[in-house]
Amino acid sequence: NAGVTQTPKFQVLKTGQSMTLQCAQDMNHEYMSWYRQDPGMGLRLIHYSVGAGITDQGEVPNGYNVSRSTTEDFPLRLLSAAPSQTSVYFCASSLGLAEGQQFFGPGTRLTVL
Amino acid sequence: DQQVKQNSPSLSVQEGRISILNCDYTNSMFDYFLWYKKYPAEGPTFLISISSIKDKNEDGRFTVFLNKSAKHLSLHIVPSQPGDSAVYFCAASAPGGADGLTFGKGTHLIIQP
Repeated sequence: NAGVTQTPKFQVLKTGQSMTLQCAQDMNHEYMSWYRQDPGMGLRLIHYSVGAGITDQGEVPNGYNVSRSTTEDFPLRLLSAAPSQTSVYFCASSLGLAEGQQFFGPGTRLTVL
Repeated sequence: DQQVKQNSPSLSVQEGRISILNCDYTNSMFDYFLWYKKYPAEGPTFLISISSIKDKNEDGRFTVFLNKSAKHLSLHIVPSQPGDSAVYFCAASAPGGADGLTFGKGTHLIIQP
């Protein structure tokens, strides 16, 4: 099993550009989520999904879109990148809602100029 | 308002001694607590967890203690080893887990030879 994979590892964008961060898991997990980590901060929840076709907002959803068309994939879209979105983004998955132990991907480091 | 607090940004411990990392929370709805370990340029990895119905959970060198009345938990690592040098995040979730994990800011543990 590859676990949770994320692409790209690094990305530099200009203000106003859009892009999609990819996340995939091969563990047949129902629950997937996106977090961002900023310097000196813990991870903060952006969006999550409890299954294919179902998504919801987390703590910091503004400026991001998600969709969940398959169990395996959960892409995160930046609609119009802003410097405040410079961060490290982590995708995570777990078996179910009550399964607190989430498995994290290696992260995508995004810089917005 | 931070719901999960790790008040020590860093902690230095000699190899072989005990490392104690502390975490406080304010949301009394939290019923499941986890510790994650994170190396640079990697995603967080799950270390140990505890349910609110317990006050202690052990796994090898790692023990987590939960004091519900004080809304406080701690992670003990005995004995500390050089490979334990990492950032440790305390995280919590509410019943059902739909809102994902709420993370503290992390404690950078440095094990000195």
